[in-house]
Amino acid sequence: QSVLTQPPSVSAAPGQRVTISCSGSNSNIGNSYVSWYQQLPGSAPRLLIYDNNNRPSGIPDRFSVSKSGTSATLGITGLQTGDEADYYCGAWDSSLNSYVFGIGTKVTV
Amino acid sequence: EVQVVESGGGLVKPGGSLRLSCEVSGLTFSDAWMTWVRQAPGKGLQWVGRMLSYRGGGTRHYATPLKGRFTISRDDPKNMVYLQMNSLQTEDTGVYYCVWINTPPHNLARWGRGTLVTVSS
Repeated sequence: QSVLTQPPSVSAAPGQRVTISCSGSNSNIGNSYVSWYQQLPGSAPRLLIYDNNNRPSGIPDRFSVSKSGTSATLGITGLQTGDEADYYCGAWDSSLNSYVFGIGTKVTV
Repeated sequence: EVQVVESGGGLVKPGGSLRLSCEVSGLTFSDAWMTWVRQAPGKGLQWVGRMLSYRGGGTRHYATPLKGRFTISRDDPKNMVYLQMNSLQTEDTGVYYCVWINTPPHNLARWGRGTLVTVSS
């Protein structure tokens, strides 16, 4: 099982909003930057958003993040069919000296 | 723009070895921290290991289950990072991604397209 806990899937209609939770511990989310990665079907993952809503160039502000204690949440508003993908949370774990991922959440629009 | 390109994947028999290569451009490679992530068919992402820049100590970390079989190295003048994989098992089959770490804040900022490793007799 993964160190970070994510739901396996979420779904919503186009235009609606979804949230994806990511739960960890003090050795990872609680004391580290959390990042989110998007993997479109058949493609490599890419960095989507991290920390205080920092987004790489080209990522729309429909994607947002929040963090509280040892949990983080990715929000997607104005859902589009092009948002159908697997979303992974990730963080450095200082106890394991490893980067840890969630299992990935499949978003269906 | 940072670009990452992996190579070296292929078919290898159980117990065999393979070395993956990764060429990075668009940044000062000697300052770059690099990591490898793999993905088994139909599965999620699994972190393999990372190597810091030599200026950052050149420290290497590996996922516990892979320690002793996998080794990451780098050649700064060539802008290359490598993943040496020994005693390969069928469970090592998957796509291997080379990724540039942006640090801080330690996120996996630029991914390559990946290279497929198939371990099968």
